[in-house]
Amino acid sequence: KAGVTQTPRYLIKTRGQQVTLSCSPISGHRSVSWYQQTPGQGLQFLFEYFSETQRNKGNFPGRFSGRQFSNSRSEMNVSTLELGDSALYLCASSLLAENYGYTFGSGTRLTVV
Amino acid sequence: ELKVEQNPLFLSMQEGKNYTIYCNYSTTSDRLYWYRQDPGKSLESLFVLLSNGAVKQEGRLMASLDTKARLSTLHITAAVHDLSATYFCAVGSGTYKYIFGTGTRLKVLA
Repeated sequence: KAGVTQTPRYLIKTRGQQVTLSCSPISGHRSVSWYQQTPGQGLQFLFEYFSETQRNKGNFPGRFSGRQFSNSRSEMNVSTLELGDSALYLCASSLLAENYGYTFGSGTRLTVV
Repeated sequence: ELKVEQNPLFLSMQEGKNYTIYCNYSTTSDRLYWYRQDPGKSLESLFVLLSNGAVKQEGRLMASLDTKARLSTLHITAAVHDLSATYFCAVGSGTYKYIFGTGTRLKVLA
């Protein structure tokens, strides 16, 4: 079956711009989480959605936002990009995260110049 | 706030040897997950540990959880080159949020 699909795979943006990343979860998975991965900070939790509701969020500034649609697809948006936002952004979906853990997508590599 | 520490950060080992990766966490949790990440790739789920004393095994990898000690171990038996990767533990923090460890970069030498 199809895995978690993230688009685009690579992205180069300029400081001050905004960006939207997309994630299509595994069919039937309603929980979607987003993580930021950098060499310095490792994997950091951004937010988690279930049935279009954000159930938890990490310690990121308000420039980072997300949403989930009725078909469970999710997007995250970063406004006013900073150089430090350069990272691999990973989306993960789960049928029931507590029992099964998450299946991760391949990620979107964002470079801010 | 929950802190998750893994050690060692780097591990270089010979094929055929055994070794253990440790994951310590700072506050109570009964949900712990292990993932593997190959260079340039995404994370692959290895184990889900949901109770004190839980033990899971898959091939040459075995994971265990001691919630009282706030410790999980990932034991590698008779390592082979294909196990070279970065291994992460992730601990449940409150609801629907997981804190990842720093990762252990494992290199198995032939």
